Amino acid sequence: AQSVAQPEDQVNVAEGNPLTVKCTYSVSGNPYLFWYVQYPNRGLQFLLKYITGDNLVKGSYGFEAEFNKSQTSFHLKKPSALVSDSALYFCAVRPTGNQAGTALIFGKGTTLSVSS
Amino acid sequence: EAQVTQNPRYLITVTGKKLTVTCSQNMNHEYMSWYRQDPGLGLRQIYYSMNVEVTDKGDVPEGYKVSRKEKRNFPLILESPSPNQTSLYFCATPGQGAREQYFGPGTRLTVT
Repeated sequence: AQSVAQPEDQVNVAEGNPLTVKCTYSVSGNPYLFWYVQYPNRGLQFLLKYITGDNLVKGSYGFEAEFNKSQTSFHLKKPSALVSDSALYFCAVRPTGNQAGTALIFGKGTTLSVSS
Repeated sequence: EAQVTQNPRYLITVTGKKLTVTCSQNMNHEYMSWYRQDPGLGLRQIYYSMNVEVTDKGDVPEGYKVSRKEKRNFPLILESPSPNQTSLYFCATPGQGAREQYFGPGTRLTVT
């Protein structure tokens, strides 16, 4: 079965330190990869996506993500964390090809907590 | 401004009392979908619609209905809600191919 794994329920970092939120997937072919962020009592906001090309993609709020095809990973990163980055982060994958119209497959989410 | 709106934002109801959660988008997108979010499970798709009068089941459709009579609106209907449908619900568009989805603000439903 196709799936997305976010192995850490929570990631804690100090403000100013780099952060990484991990994501691996098990989807056939070359899926589209996404990261979304959810702030308390808000809907999900799009951060960035990987479609093709450069393995390092840059997105909103200084976030970037590194695609690794051999490891089927798409880790979210930021060089210097801010307290305001504290939120719930979701990795999501959409299969391509004949299933191009299908739903996003979401990971379970990782809570990022940035301390001052 | 591109927007997905949902109403109500919060709803407490009792088992068996029919309810409708409305969703509207102003982007003229053909594709719309409904998700539910539960702790530890992420988001799971309930239903989606490729266009007016075209709807299909997602991963967790049991207990839900939808309709798509016009492009901008995609209501979610719970004919006989049960406590296991207590959840946070999101409407989203468009969600096809490489396009990212825009999500509504969410509807927190409690069924007692």
